[in-house]
This record gives sequence, C-alpha cells and structure tokens, in this order.
Amino acid sequence: GDSVTQMEGPVTLSEEAFLTINCTYTATGYPSLFWYVQYPGEGLQLLLKATKADDKGSNKGFEATYRKETTSFHLEKGSVQVSDSAVYFCALNPRSARQLTFGSGTQLTVLP
Amino acid sequence: AAGVIQSPRHLIKEKRETATLKCYPIPRHDTVYWYQQGPGQDPQFLISFYEKMQSDKGSIPDRFSAQQFSDYHSELNMSSLELGDSALYFCASSSGQGAGYNSPLHFGNGTRLTVT
Repeated sequence: GDSVTQMEGPVTLSEEAFLTINCTYTATGYPSLFWYVQYPGEGLQLLLKATKADDKGSNKGFEATYRKETTSFHLEKGSVQVSDSAVYFCALNPRSARQLTFGSGTQLTVLP
Repeated sequence: AAGVIQSPRHLIKEKRETATLKCYPIPRHDTVYWYQQGPGQDPQFLISFYEKMQSDKGSIPDRFSAQQFSDYHSELNMSSLELGDSALYFCASSSGQGAGYNSPLHFGNGTRLTVT
C-alpha cells in the first residue's frame, strides 16, 4: 500500500539555521505530495504541494521538490524562525483515491 | 476567508456513552473527510463523503458512523465509546473530484474527545 516515511524528530534548531526534514514515499503511479504544518492546538494547514515529478512547491520560505527517481519530497528552509516551531507532516494523495496518507510527523522547535 | 468549522472543540464522555461530532465545510466544498489523530500520532483516515455519498472508507470502527447532509455538513457518530477512542478528530473539506490531488484538503481545528 501507499506509505510515507518521515525523518524522526524532534528536531531542535537555533534561529536562522538551515532546516531539512526528509520525506520518502511508496506509492503506485504518480501521487501528489504535500507538506502540512500543525501548530499547537490547531488543525493541519497546507504548507506546500507538488503534483508531478520535478515540481517545486514553495511557501513562506519553505521549499520541497518532487523527486520521482528517489521517491522523495524533502522539506527545506534556509533560515528558520521561532514562529516555525510546529509539527510538520509529509503526505501523499494517490490519484486513485480521495484521501491523504500522512507520515508520522516531525516536531520542530526553533530556539531564539 | 471562511474555514472548516468543527464543533464542539472539546468533549468529555464516559465509556459506553455516545458522541456526535459536527463538521461544517468551507462553502462550495463538496467533499468532507474525517481523520483521527491519537496522542503523538499521525492523522489516520476514517471516512470521506463526496456529494453526500460515502466515497472512501479507512480505519473506521463499526461503532462509528458518519453521514453528509444536504447542506454538505457532516456528522460523525460514535457509540459504545472506549478509552482508546480518546483522540483529536479532524474534519477536512475540499472541492471537486480527485480531491486532494489537485484540490488540497483544508482542515478544521479538530474536536478533542476524551473518554474516561
């Protein structure tokens, strides 16, 4: 079945550090890929998405590139802020289904 | 902009009781999804509805049922509650077929259910 494997957390960084959260997936066909962010006590918010190979999703300084050859969708940000502290979920949506499969989430804490 | 509204935000029930969670999707969204997120866990898909018909079913227990009404809001009914049902329940909505693929899911803030 379809699955998403995320880098285990928690991840603790200093402000302005470089962030990478690894995400790899297993799926038949060509799924769409997403990163969602969850702030404490809130629902999941779409951060960025990519719908085909080599697409780059970007938002709020975060980027991720859909790499079909390595089945990866790693999240990166060049300079993190304290306000980026949250849980980040990688997710995929296969074209055959109307649902998302999530990774296990990565807790990010950014220290001032 | 209008978001997905869930009610109640918090709910405390005892074992063997029933609970009803409500979800009001973003206007003009025709697809609703329910997810269950246990403590420290990733969200697990329960069930979804498209145009008031069940479209996909995930790991929803037989004790749970759901439906989508004519105004597109949805309700998740949970009976014979167990301690293990304590979790955050999210509703999400999207528009159009192939939802999620080209139309990302928009999540509500969830209902935190505690079963004692």
